[in-house]
Amino acid sequence: GAVVSQHPSWVICKSGTSVKIECRSLDFQATTMFWYRQFPKQSLMLMATSNEGSKATYEQGVEKDKFLINHASLTLSTLTVTSAHPEDSSFYICSARGSPSGGQETQYFGPGTRLLVL
Amino acid sequence: GENVEQHPSTLSVQEGDSAVIKCTYSDSASNYFPWYKQELGKRPQLIIDIRSNVGEKKDQRIAVTLNKTAKHFSLHITETQPEDSAVYFCAGGGYSTLTFGKGTMLLVSP
Repeated sequence: GAVVSQHPSWVICKSGTSVKIECRSLDFQATTMFWYRQFPKQSLMLMATSNEGSKATYEQGVEKDKFLINHASLTLSTLTVTSAHPEDSSFYICSARGSPSGGQETQYFGPGTRLLVL
Repeated sequence: GENVEQHPSTLSVQEGDSAVIKCTYSDSASNYFPWYKQELGKRPQLIIDIRSNVGEKKDQRIAVTLNKTAKHFSLHITETQPEDSAVYFCAGGGYSTLTFGKGTMLLVSP
């Protein structure tokens, strides 16, 4: 099956620092990747859609200057949480859209990154 | 935009029973409806999906039905097992994005 990796798996940082999270599709090319945020016992909230070679599309209410997204290649997207504050603490999950087996495309999720801002 | 409602929020069944989770969607243009299973602290895993040109799809103990007219789709799990315990998310959308339901916590008791 399709493999999507995320790094780091967890991070603890001080308030005011920036944190970069990487999302990679390991065995297929993904022209589109998605970044979600998930609070405990809640659903997946789409933050932004990342397209290779172009600017990300942010969902309403998501600050693009706060959550910087770069989709530098067909296998890598990064999310940088700038000047992180405790309220940014959450579980961040990426997904990559592709068709590893050549069939119809679907979304495959990374393992998530747990961010704790002190 | 799309709005996906999912029910119930929690579901408890005995091992061997069937479980049904239902979702409704609002955007008639949506044509792709995947279901994901998420175990505690892990990533959502795609378990089955259905596209709008199909009314039903089955994969062993799991089946999904889609009623485009009524804009609802359902996940059916037969002969449930304790390892089926997890949170299940439905989603609806198309090529651009998916909108997720709020999730159903399924607990299968031995």
